[in-house]
Amino acid sequence: DTEVTQTPKHLVMGMTNKKSLKCEQHMGHRAMYWYKQKAKKPPELMFVYSYEKLSINESVPSRFSPECPNSSLLNLHLHALQPEDSALYLCASSQSTGRSTEAFFGQGTRLTVV
Amino acid sequence: DQQVKQNSPSLSVQEGRISILNCDYTNSMFDYFLWYKKYPAEGPTFLISISSIKDKNEDGRFTVFLNKSAKHLSLHIVPSQPGDSAVYFCASRGSARQLTFGSGTQLTVLP
Repeated sequence: DTEVTQTPKHLVMGMTNKKSLKCEQHMGHRAMYWYKQKAKKPPELMFVYSYEKLSINESVPSRFSPECPNSSLLNLHLHALQPEDSALYLCASSQSTGRSTEAFFGQGTRLTVV
Repeated sequence: DQQVKQNSPSLSVQEGRISILNCDYTNSMFDYFLWYKKYPAEGPTFLISISSIKDKNEDGRFTVFLNKSAKHLSLHIVPSQPGDSAVYFCASRGSARQLTFGSGTQLTVLP
């Protein structure tokens, strides 16, 4: 199983809503990531979790709140977002040690803030 | 400041010919470089990687070349197939195994 599963696939939310994006992997990976991708741009790193602890926060606004409840799950809690936060949100996972080099990406959640 | 650059936003190649996608980087500390392929509305799919201590890695139709002195890598696809049409991202790997992506190159393989 080399799959990273993200739910929901699509999400439309108002600027006053609270919602959560979910990500799950069962590859035993201990590093998990959130990336944001705007149209015609590359994915940009938001957060890195290593062994369920937040290790990198790329100066992301506090209206995005990550959570790693266990080694298989990664959430991104959203609150008071702006229309410019509309993007494809990608979750990824990888081994945190060892020779394997690649990160596996989910299909993404297409978020629209209205 | 972009640490990973792909200067060609698009490339068109005839089916059966070679596709060459290029990437430049600025940080000598990167230990691995990876290529990902991406279709619209999907997550990136890993293709091939290369360690900074190697100069070539081959996997089937895909070969990645690394020129450390020039801080340049390239992905060769031969023979190119219409199904290869996608956006290709070059990425460098950081110490937490996070990826920094280039801006991508849209490859179109013409039948």
